Amino acid sequence: SAVISQKPSRDICQRGTSLTIQCQVDSQVTMMFWYRQQPGQSLTLIATANQGSEATYESGFVIDKFPISRPNLTFSTLTVSNMSPEDSSIYLCSVEDPIGLGPYGTDTQYFGPGTRLTVL
Amino acid sequence: SQQGEEDPQALSIQEGENATMNCSYKTSINNLQWYRQNSGRGLVHLILIRSNEREKHSGRLRVTLDTSKKSSSLLITASRAADTASYFCAETSGSRLTFGEGTQLTVNP
Repeated sequence: SAVISQKPSRDICQRGTSLTIQCQVDSQVTMMFWYRQQPGQSLTLIATANQGSEATYESGFVIDKFPISRPNLTFSTLTVSNMSPEDSSIYLCSVEDPIGLGPYGTDTQYFGPGTRLTVL
Repeated sequence: SQQGEEDPQALSIQEGENATMNCSYKTSINNLQWYRQNSGRGLVHLILIRSNEREKHSGRLRVTLDTSKKSSSLLITASRAADTASYFCAETSGSRLTFGEGTQLTVNP
């Protein structure tokens, strides 16, 4: 399986500011995914990030609000821009099993530990 | 995207009892995955069942899939206090996961 780390693990921010979340994987992966989990809710996919191309955003999410970088095959960042209290959530990155050596091959998605964001 | 439904939303049992959680999904899936989340932390992958499979076992976990009803169930046998967590199903279409609403399981010692 892939080992995924995220920075920061948590942050408290003022409204109107921006926060950049980093996601680092220990293996090269083609696709990385960013999810949002609002308090007490399930996970919602924000966007898919492929190295060398623009991220693909899901309905309801736009690049101006959630710009994503994918400079190489092991790293991605998600920025939450011009934050408001409604952006308070856990943000998680995930990757598909990069080598497919796990019991389910490359279909498995593994998740980072998440970044807990509170906007005041 | 529309999320699937899970029931129950919350389940409280005694240690040693079995816990069953159900999930309904909406699309034609490649596979369905189950995850556990402890106290709002990262998700731990539990098990994956493919669309052409009907049942899968892993340790104390048993997952079933009924594609005609677009539903799946997760059974945890001989539960332990450490199983206390939120459990989510995620339907997979291509590389895209769509998560259910989740079940909060509490196992009382």
